Amino acid sequence: QSALTQPASVSGSPGQSITISCTGTSSDVGGYNYVSWYQQHPGKVPKLMIYEVSNRPSGVSDRFSGSKSGNTASLTISGLQAEDEADYYCSSYTVTSSTLYVFGTGTKVTVL
Amino acid sequence: EVQLVESGGGLVQPGGSLRLSCAASGFTFSTYFMHWVRQAPGKGLMWVSRINGDGSMTHYADSVKGRFTISRDNAKNTLYLQMSSLRAEDTAVYYCTRDPGKNWFDPWGQGTLVTVSS
Repeated sequence: QSALTQPASVSGSPGQSITISCTGTSSDVGGYNYVSWYQQHPGKVPKLMIYEVSNRPSGVSDRFSGSKSGNTASLTISGLQAEDEADYYCSSYTVTSSTLYVFGTGTKVTVL
Repeated sequence: EVQLVESGGGLVQPGGSLRLSCAASGFTFSTYFMHWVRQAPGKGLMWVSRINGDGSMTHYADSVKGRFTISRDNAKNTLYLQMSSLRAEDTAVYYCTRDPGKNWFDPWGQGTLVTVSS
């Protein structure tokens, strides 16, 4: 099972909006509404930012939002802030012979 | 406060074995699925294994199937990962993480580093 495809890097200036894509197949992203997103600062533990495509856990800023169209999910960060600089990973439930869950390749977000 | 604390990592030779533990607190452990996810140095996340609340159902990634065994002791609020026939490519930080049965991971423990090298 291949990893979900994310852009290696995305950058933006403070206050801008950026979107990170996460492309899979009909066996994962396109087949289930079990896409989640995780933020990981360098040397830190992953943190859940979005679950079930577009739901935000309590405590996560409403500047983070998620969506899905077909086999591609997206994470949008609006009003970009310096603290948003981190790696971001998508994840999807999948039913294949090789795994139950697949993660994205990861995207490094840089705040210019 | 929900806490997950892993232990048991270390340096092991290829072909060796290691058992990781994850002590859980702050929630009703037996009602949650639990997972192990790993991250090789400088690389992305990879799902390893899942166990249901009562321990009756387990799943593994193909890359570890037959070599790793996930288990839990609900009386001790502890998750385990028994790893055998370890390979260099198993070198990673291993995280335990909680899942309410809805296929997301929250929170994550601090991780324990496993290094497979001679």
